[in-house]
Amino acid sequence: EIVMTQSPATLSVSPGERATLSCRASQSVSGNLAWYQQKPGQAPRLLIFGASTRATGIPARFSGSGSGTEFTLAISSLQSEDFAVYYCQQYNNWPRTFGQGTKVEIK
Amino acid sequence: EVQLVESGGGLVKPGGSLRLSCAASGFTFSTYSMNWVRQAPGKGLEWVSSISSSSDYIYYADSVKGRFTISRDNGKNSLYLQMNSLRAEDTAVYYCAKKGGSGFYFDFWGQGSLLTVSS
Repeated sequence: EIVMTQSPATLSVSPGERATLSCRASQSVSGNLAWYQQKPGQAPRLLIFGASTRATGIPARFSGSGSGTEFTLAISSLQSEDFAVYYCQQYNNWPRTFGQGTKVEIK
Repeated sequence: EVQLVESGGGLVKPGGSLRLSCAASGFTFSTYSMNWVRQAPGKGLEWVSSISSSSDYIYYADSVKGRFTISRDNGKNSLYLQMNSLRAEDTAVYYCAKKGGSGFYFDFWGQGSLLTVSS
C-alpha cells in the first residue's frame, strides 16, 4: 500500500498570504495525484487532478505541482473561503490512498 | 448538474448489517466507475470500494474485504454498499463518489450517510 504523508498537519496563514502544502508518497505515483478541499460538515471537493490540472470551477489561485513522490499544493492569496482541510490522494495503485490532511487555519 | 444522494445510514449493533444506497443523476451513470469513501468522526478520508461501469472490476480496502459488497444497478442509476459483520470501527460518514473522466480521482461526491455501529 502506498502511504501518503502530508505536511504540515496544521498551517496558520493570514488572509492574503500564500500557503504551500506538501504531500509525499512512499513510492512513485507518477502524476496520478489529486487534491481535495473539505470544509466542516461538507463533502470533499476536487481541486486538482493529474498533479497540476485544476478541476472545473476551481480558481486560478490554486495550483498543483510535482511528480513521482513529491507534490505541492499552493494557494497564492488565501481568501476567507479557503480555510479548510486539504487532502491529497494517489490513484496510481490499488488501494487508493489519501494523506491524513492539512488543516489551513486563520493566523 | 451531477447529483449523488446517499441513503440508508443509521444506528446498527456490532455484528449487524446495513445497506447503503446512492442515487445518481446528471451524468451517464452506466459509463463511469463508482466508489465509496468513508470518514470516521474527526478523522481523514479512507477509500472503501470501487466498481467499474459494468461491474466487471471490483476492489475493496483490506479493512472491509469479505464483509462489504459493492454493487450497482445501471438501470436505476444507483450504487449500493452492503455491509455485514459491522464493527465499531466502521462508524463513519460514507460518501458515494464518481470517478473522474481522465483518471481514478473522485470528481463528484455525495453529501454522505452516517453509519454508527454501537451497542
